[in-house]
Amino acid sequence: DQQVKQNSPSLSVQEGRISILNCDYTNSMFDYFLWYKKYPAEGPTFLISISSIKDKNEDGRFTVFLNKSAKHLSLHIVPSQPGDSAVYFCAAIWGGSNYKLTFGKGTLLTVNP
Amino acid sequence: DAGVTQSPTHLIKTRGQQVTLRCSPISGHKSVSWYQQVLGQGPQFIFQYYEKEERGRGNFPDRFSARQFPNYSSELNVNALLLGDSALYLCASSAGTGAYNEQFFGPGTRLTVL
Repeated sequence: DQQVKQNSPSLSVQEGRISILNCDYTNSMFDYFLWYKKYPAEGPTFLISISSIKDKNEDGRFTVFLNKSAKHLSLHIVPSQPGDSAVYFCAAIWGGSNYKLTFGKGTLLTVNP
Repeated sequence: DAGVTQSPTHLIKTRGQQVTLRCSPISGHKSVSWYQQVLGQGPQFIFQYYEKEERGRGNFPDRFSARQFPNYSSELNVNALLLGDSALYLCASSAGTGAYNEQFFGPGTRLTVL
C-alpha cells in the first residue's frame, strides 16, 4: 500500500524553465513533508520541507506547496538548471512514527541545456 | 566534517548466505536509521536505533536485524539471503530525539544476491 505516490517516473524540462514535481499521499496522519534529491552513487540529500500547518515554503529557487484537502504537494524549481538533474523523492512523516520516513518512488528530473 | 559513511560500497552474495553492513553516523549524531531501496522504488524503512535501543521497525522479516554500538555506529545483518534482498541499503543519521530532526544519508551499500 503506497502511502506516498509520485505518479510521474520522469520529467524533462529546458534550462531556465519551471520544473514541477508532484506527490500525493493517502495517510491523513502525515504532518510533515520533505523533498530529497538523489544523484547516482550518492545518498538522498534533504532539499526542502513543509509542515502540515503551512501551505507554502520557499527556499531560493525551490518552493513546496501543500494542499491538505487534496492530499497533494508539489515542488517547483525556478529557474531549472542542468545541475538539478537528479531523482527527486517526496517523503512524509508523522510524529507517532518516530523517525520513519515514508518515501515515494521518485521522479527522475532531466534539465536540458 | 565527515558525513555518514557506509561499508562496504558493493557486495555480492549468494542465496542463503548472511551479510553484515556497517554505518558510521555523523559525529555527534546518536540516531541511526536503515532503509532498503529496491531498483525503481523509494527507500523503505527497516530500523531506527537511538542510544543503542531499537526505536522503530519496518515491515521486514526477522531475517533482518541490527544493532548500535556505544560509539553510535551501527550494523545491519541479513540472514538467509534471498534474491529479493538485492537492493541499495541506506543508512541515515540524525542528531536529536524528535521525529522531525533532519536525517542525513550515507551513499549506501549495493547488495547483489545471486
